Amino acid sequence: NAGVTQTPKFQVLKTGQSMTLQCAQDMNHNSMYWYRQDPGMGLRLIYYSASEGTTDKGEVPNGYNVSRLNKREFSLRLESAAPSQTSVYFCASSEQRGRKLEQYFGPGTRLTVT
Amino acid sequence: AQKITQTQPGMFVQEKEAVTLDCTYDTSDPSYGLFWYKQPSSGEMIFLIYQGSYDQQNATEGRYSLNFQKARKSANLVISASQLGDSAMYFCAMREGQAGTALIFGKGTTLSVSS
Repeated sequence: NAGVTQTPKFQVLKTGQSMTLQCAQDMNHNSMYWYRQDPGMGLRLIYYSASEGTTDKGEVPNGYNVSRLNKREFSLRLESAAPSQTSVYFCASSEQRGRKLEQYFGPGTRLTVT
Repeated sequence: AQKITQTQPGMFVQEKEAVTLDCTYDTSDPSYGLFWYKQPSSGEMIFLIYQGSYDQQNATEGRYSLNFQKARKSANLVISASQLGDSAMYFCAMREGQAGTALIFGKGTTLSVSS
């Protein structure tokens, strides 16, 4: 049972380069999310997708785009990386199961922009 | 105003003792959920426990329990019989409204367990 998987685990970019972070979940969850975590802070929401075919901005969307490719996959794209985007990126998925909300995170991608 | 407040940047406890990590929240939505996650030094986010706003009883998961005081808007995590492996950062988070909305996180509390 893989849960939420992310690739790559580590990435170093130069300012201005672009890249796509991949995320997939195998729990049949409807909702998926991208967060970033900076030192000394909790996670902040970049974008989310409440269901397949929809995406919405979160707290810190500038400089990012997302694609909900299908129910399983939700990718995050940096079109022109900046040093301020150096962070750890987490993908998550969630689903309401009866009275309980399941919310699980991927292992994270550590991104450095020089 | 912060939606989730964790006032303890760091907590220290000895093995086998119980510890309470504080969390207060702010919402006007009657439907919400509260979560606690553990983040060890390896970096992954590990789900610990969930409490829905309409749940009558406090949630428990093994050694973890959530002391939910709705009128005071607090959702403290209690870890009984601390273990060395409990040393980590702990985040409180809240989901407002519908299940598809995202979590809002506090800034975390670092727990250190000593032998």
